[in-house]
Amino acid sequence: EVQLVESGGGLVEPGGSLRLSCAASGFTFDDYAMHWVRQAPGKGLEWVSGVSWNSGSIGYVDSVKGRFTISRDNAKNSLYLEMDSLRVEDTALYYCAKDSRGVISDLENWGQGTLVTVSS
Amino acid sequence: DVVMTQSPLSLPVTLGQPASISCRSSQSLVYSDGNTYLNWFQQRPGQSPRRLIYKVSNRDSGVPDRFSGSGSGTEFTLKISRVEAEDVGVYYCMQGTHWLSFGGGTKVEIK
Repeated sequence: EVQLVESGGGLVEPGGSLRLSCAASGFTFDDYAMHWVRQAPGKGLEWVSGVSWNSGSIGYVDSVKGRFTISRDNAKNSLYLEMDSLRVEDTALYYCAKDSRGVISDLENWGQGTLVTVSS
Repeated sequence: DVVMTQSPLSLPVTLGQPASISCRSSQSLVYSDGNTYLNWFQQRPGQSPRRLIYKVSNRDSGVPDRFSGSGSGTEFTLKISRVEAEDVGVYYCMQGTHWLSFGGGTKVEIK
């Protein structure tokens, strides 16, 4: 069974930083692309970033480019999101999701999410 | 960037009646490999999203056959043949052809 467990969320002041982690199990991690998707309170889903199986292809939504960095450690079956220069509008539940392919194209399985709150 | 536009925003439905949600993309979703990466997701209240349909019309394992997806190019539809109480939630279309992007969501509720 695919399991994705996010951690690292919390309360941070505007301009601060946070690092999210996603521990994956139940599948061959380095066969699949991985993603971060967020959902602001009461709002819809927004794809934040994705990384291909070998980190050869990485993409970001425009609003986080230059501030967020996605990475993965295939030896540790883990996905990360380094978030810098955080803004109030980054407040959201952040989901880790597994692709159905090695390249960025899909969101087959989702975690339960970790909450990030940016506030002074 | 590919913009996904869903309608309606809200869909009140009588139990046992059909429901239909439309999704339009700002450009063709046909990828160079010939596939169209258009998915549908269901998000029940308080839960993580769940993929229902992938590549336009393929149902995920465990998804009831009252759910069906259709469409091509830039116009897509999710249909529920007979709405049940457990179908209440928000439905999103998502394209995976040009990076990823979601529609704004359609809230399905029981009349």
